[in-house]
Amino acid sequence: DAGVTQSPTHLIKTRGQQVTLRCSPKSGHDTVSWYQQALGQGPQFIFQYYEEEERQRGNFPDRFSGHQFPNYSSELNVNALLLGDSALYLCASSSTRDRDYSNQPQHFGDGTRLSIL
Amino acid sequence: QKEVEQDPGPLSVPEGAIVSLNCTYSNSAFQYFMWYRQYSRKGPELLMYTYSSGNKEDGRFTAQVDKSSKYISLFIRDSQPSDSATYLCAMSTLNTGTASKLTFGTGTRLQVTL
Repeated sequence: DAGVTQSPTHLIKTRGQQVTLRCSPKSGHDTVSWYQQALGQGPQFIFQYYEEEERQRGNFPDRFSGHQFPNYSSELNVNALLLGDSALYLCASSSTRDRDYSNQPQHFGDGTRLSIL
Repeated sequence: QKEVEQDPGPLSVPEGAIVSLNCTYSNSAFQYFMWYRQYSRKGPELLMYTYSSGNKEDGRFTAQVDKSSKYISLFIRDSQPSDSATYLCAMSTLNTGTASKLTFGTGTRLQVTL
């Protein structure tokens, strides 16, 4: 049973560039959430996708955008990169198919480490 | 003030010790409580998940929730060097439609020494 997979594992960009990160959810999961984890901090919620639509959003600027595909995989796009965007970007998946979907825990991938020079 | 407070540590204990990790929170709407373990250069791994006050046990791990005090704990019995990691508490409110967003603590770095 494949877990959450993310690519690439590590990425180096310069200020002002754009980046796309990818996530495949755990088998059977249909909801994908993205988190940003700065060094020494807990993950911060960016947004969540379900049925190819953004359902919830955290306190992140419009430079952060996303997409979900019909196979439930997802992309996170960040434009006009800033030094402060350097972080570990985590994808988490969950399922709405179970009877009590609001209770379903989220499972994380190993993240993409983004470094901005 | 952060919604979830967690002592960042580091916490160093000898092998075999009982470890106590704690978080406090200010948002009384939080209904679900989780503990994740994160090894260096890895993603968070779900350890415990609970939504009621009281204790929940799973092997060497016990999660405790006190909603009246807005306080949660994770106890690790017979700690092992392989338990050395960062432990993150996470919480969420009840959401309709999809899973609710998680609010995390800063994480506590634990080192179990031989």
